[in-house]
Amino acid sequence: EAGVAQSPRYKIIEKRQSVAFWCNPISGHATLYWYQQILGQGPKLLIQFQNNGVVDDSQLPKDRFSAERLKGVDSTLKIQPAKLEDSAVYLCASSPGGVAYEQYFGPGTRLTVT
Amino acid sequence: KQEVTQIPAALSVPEGENLVLNCSFTDSAIYNLQWFRQDPGKGLTSLLLIQSSQREQTSGRLNASLDKSSGRSTLYIAASQPGDSATYLCAVMGYQKVTFGTGTKLQVIP
Repeated sequence: EAGVAQSPRYKIIEKRQSVAFWCNPISGHATLYWYQQILGQGPKLLIQFQNNGVVDDSQLPKDRFSAERLKGVDSTLKIQPAKLEDSAVYLCASSPGGVAYEQYFGPGTRLTVT
Repeated sequence: KQEVTQIPAALSVPEGENLVLNCSFTDSAIYNLQWFRQDPGKGLTSLLLIQSSQREQTSGRLNASLDKSSGRSTLYIAASQPGDSATYLCAVMGYQKVTFGTGTKLQVIP
């Protein structure tokens, strides 16, 4: 069974630029999560999708972050414009159902904003 | 708001020692609790998932317990090995909410 795929693995941009991350969950998984992990901290949930609907985006900075899940499968997370404090690892995870199910994580995308 | 605390933040033990990692949470209305390990520069690897109706789960040298009433979970690692060196994170799944702790960085010294 293929795991959660993410790309790119690394990205360096200047502040005020835009960036997009892509995630392909495990086949058949209905729930997809995006997390932000700042160095030395635990992951913080940004947005949770159930199929192609948003379940929770309460911690997503909506003035600069946006996310979509196309046809209930792949997902993209965008930051526009980026700030220095957005430097972090962005993790994508998927699970067969909602929060009652085990989550499987991708390798993450390390973003550096200079 | 759910708060999840992991103590200690870092731990160094000699190889072969048994050890316990702690995870505390403030809201006992949870669906389950999941333990992960994270190696430097890598994503999270799931270790154990404990449903709210369960008291413990075991996988190999790992045993995780859950006490909802006291808001605590422990991860027991038996006969630690250098390959166990990593950061261990617990995640609490509440109603539509997932909250992670800040992790315990474990170093097992050969």
